[in-house]
Order: sequence, then structure tokens, then C-alpha cells
Amino acid sequence: DARVTQTPRDKVTEMGQEVTMRCQPILGHNTVFWYRQTMMQGLELLAYFRNRAPLDDSGMPKDRFSAEMPDATLATLKIQPSEPRDSAVYFCASGLGNTQYFGPGTRLTVL
Amino acid sequence: TQLLEQSPQFLSIQEGENLTVYCNSSSVFSSLQWYRQEPGEGPVLLVTVVTGGEVKKLKRLTFQFGDARKDSSLHITAAQPGDTGLYLCARTNSGNTPLVFGKGTRLSVIA
Repeated sequence: DARVTQTPRDKVTEMGQEVTMRCQPILGHNTVFWYRQTMMQGLELLAYFRNRAPLDDSGMPKDRFSAEMPDATLATLKIQPSEPRDSAVYFCASGLGNTQYFGPGTRLTVL
Repeated sequence: TQLLEQSPQFLSIQEGENLTVYCNSSSVFSSLQWYRQEPGEGPVLLVTVVTGGEVKKLKRLTFQFGDARKDSSLHITAAQPGDTGLYLCARTNSGNTPLVFGKGTRLSVIA
């Protein structure tokens, strides 16, 4: 049963520290999305890639967030420096056709 | 941004009751998806509706897409504790493009 995996599942860090979240999309899926979920804003798109090329990262604060796909099996989302307002659950999803499959998320807490 | 309004925001009912939750927009959808999200997990796709007036059934869940493709509803018959979760609607375009989510209806079914 193919699934999207994300690591770490939980991360607690202090303000100013660098945070890296990783995602392994489902093999064969050519589109990868990063979403962020908060109680106030709900689920929002941060960035997405197709065939490893970034298509839209307008949802990300450019000065501190970066998203990459070093290869087809790995997507990364980095925050440097992290701030308390970045506390949220970050989801990766991979897509085929009109269906997206979500990972279990990384719960980030920035103190 | 074409906003999706979901109502009610919270719903707590007894096992065996029926319920309906709603998803509305001022804009026409190309297609709409419903997801269920359980605590600590990512959203899982339940259904995609594309045609105005379309009705789809998934066991005790009935999904309806409005004739004008601006609204949708999810009706659950004889709710069970296993139906507890966050129900999200999302607007999609054709192809594998980012989803725009409503903020969801948080359902609690009490045994």
C-alpha cells in the first residue's frame, strides 16, 4: 500500500533555529505539494513541484522558507530562521491525475 | 482567492443521528472534492464531484453538487463514532493542481 511519508512527525525547536522537513512522495507521482494547516487559516498551499521543477511558491514567506526536490524520491521544506508564528502542521502530498495523497504531516512547534 | 465557506464549523451529535454539512462559494467550481481528516493524519479523499446536480453515494455518505456548481453538501445517515473527524471541501481545477480548501466542519459522534 503506497503512502507518502514525512519526517519528522513532530519537531519542537526554539525561535531562530533551522528546521528541515522531509517528504517521500509515492513512486511514480510527478507532482508534489506542500501545505500548512493551522486552526486559524486552515490548510493553505505553500509550494508545489511538477517533475521536480517548482511551479508555484507564492504561498511561502520567501525570506525564510525554501522548498526543493533534490531527486524524485525526496522533497524538502526548510525554514531558517524559524519563528513562533511558523508553528503549524506541515503536510506533503503527491499527486497523480486529479487525486492528491497526503502524508501524515510534521507538527512543528517553535518556542 | 475564491473562498470556500463551510458550515457548521463544529457539530456534535449522538450515534444514529443524521447530519448535513455544507460547502459554499460565490464562484463556480470546475470540480469539488470532499476529504476526511482524522487526528494526527493527513486528509483522505472521499469523493470528487464534477457535474452540476451530481449525487454520489459512499455507504452512508451522500454527496451532492449544486446545479450551478457553486455549492455542495455532505449528508451522513445514521452517524457512527467512526465518522468523527474534520470534513474538508476543496476546489480543484482539471489536472493535478493545488487544492483550495475550506476550513472544515469538525464532527464529533458520541456513542
